[in-house]
Amino acid sequence: DAGVTQSPTHLIKTRGQQVTLRCSPKSGHDTVSWYQQALGQGPQFIFQYYEEEERQRGNFPDRFSGHQFPNYSSELNVNALLLGDSALYLCASSLQDYGYTFGSGTRLTVV
Amino acid sequence: KNEVEQSPQNLTAQEGEFITINCSYSVGISALHWLQQHPGGGIVSLFMLSSGKKKHGRLIATINIQEKHSSLHITASHPRDSAVYICAVSTWGSQGNLIFGKGTKLSVKP
Repeated sequence: DAGVTQSPTHLIKTRGQQVTLRCSPKSGHDTVSWYQQALGQGPQFIFQYYEEEERQRGNFPDRFSGHQFPNYSSELNVNALLLGDSALYLCASSLQDYGYTFGSGTRLTVV
Repeated sequence: KNEVEQSPQNLTAQEGEFITINCSYSVGISALHWLQQHPGGGIVSLFMLSSGKKKHGRLIATINIQEKHSSLHITASHPRDSAVYICAVSTWGSQGNLIFGKGTKLSVKP
C-alpha cells in the first residue's frame, strides 16, 4: 500500500517563476494538508483541502494556491516565486483529521 | 513564546542509552503527534496521542493533559534512531493546522 507520494522530489526555479507541486494521498485518505518547512525550522501550515475545497488556510499570501482533484490528489501552486520561498514542501494526507501520513517532501530552491 | 516547546534542542547519546525528549504546549489540543524526520527527508508519524501512553517497539510516548506535557522515550537507543523528532499538536477544529515544535535533533553514537 503506497503511502503519500510527492513529486518532484527536487526542483530549482528562478525568482518570479511559477511552480506546481503534486501530492497523491495514502489510499483511503480524503484530506490533504500542505506545509512549508524552512531550513532548521518546524513545518508551517499552508492550507488543507477536503472535498475539493480549501477548508482552512494558514498565514500565507495569495501567491500560494492549491487544488484537490476528485481522486483526492492535490496540487500546490506558488506564483511569482521569491528567494524566501526556498524550502521543503510537505504534504500530509488524512481521513479528515485522523491518521496524518506525511510524504517525503519536495525540496524547492529559488535562485 | 512558541505554542509548542521542545527540549532539548540537540541530544547526543551512546548506543544503548535510554532517551527522553520533552514537549510542552500552551494551547488546548485535540491530539498530540510525535513525528520523526531523517536528514533531507520526509516525516514519519510515530504516535498520535490524546491521553495516556502508547508503545511501539522501543518507542514509548506519554501525555499529561492537565500539565500540557508529553514525553517521547526511546529504549536501548541505536544509531538508526538518529533523526529529528518533532512534536506537533492539533487543536479542536484545526483542520490540518498542526502547530509544530522546532524539533529535537538526536544523534546516537555507536
